[in-house]
Amino acid sequence: DTGVSQDPRHKITKRGQNVTFRCDPISEHNRLYWYRQTLGQGPEFLTYFQNEAQLEKSRLLSDRFSAERPKGSFSTLEIQRTEQGDSAMYLCASSPSGGVQGEQYFGPGTRLTVT
Amino acid sequence: AQSVSQHNHHVILSEAASLELGCNYSYGGTVNLFWYVQYPGQHLQLLLKYFSGDPLVKGIKGFEAEFIKSKFSFNLRKPSVQWSDTAEYFCAVNYPGSARQLTFGSGTQLTVLP
Repeated sequence: DTGVSQDPRHKITKRGQNVTFRCDPISEHNRLYWYRQTLGQGPEFLTYFQNEAQLEKSRLLSDRFSAERPKGSFSTLEIQRTEQGDSAMYLCASSPSGGVQGEQYFGPGTRLTVT
Repeated sequence: AQSVSQHNHHVILSEAASLELGCNYSYGGTVNLFWYVQYPGQHLQLLLKYFSGDPLVKGIKGFEAEFIKSKFSFNLRKPSVQWSDTAEYFCAVNYPGSARQLTFGSGTQLTVLP
């Protein structure tokens, strides 16, 4: 399968714990995005990488959230001191350079439950 | 703030009925427009896109959408739905100045009864 992959698919954690999610984009896609989706809502943009550079962050990305893409390939999203309001589906997407702006390929998501 | 509105939260149709899902956006300039679909248990997939040219665009599985700039709309249509079209449908917009991020509507759950 050459699509976007995410790991883990599900994560249950206790409030206050740190969690880290991983995203592997489609090979040779140099753009990578993180979104968050809560029940009954569409995905909301969190952050965007072009290669290893984080070019844009949403105001939704509080100080407890950090994302990296150290070698311009896979990316990690870490949430520190999780809160119940962080419970959501975290989606990763990627796109190639030169593609239609906004056309993205999504992974299956990581569902986070904070108890 | 730039936004995307999908007014139908849940639509229930019988097979062979025609479908139209509404999508409105909030910017008067040039935008790129998308419909994504999420089938049960699957990830978001691109259904169709508009970025220039013919305002009537055709996507996969017999879906089409019409961009009407004067109405800030990009409605999704299908002449005859099938049970397999049961899914959640999201309209998304790439606004200028927003880098490459997408702004999504809240989605429409379509249920097609056999």
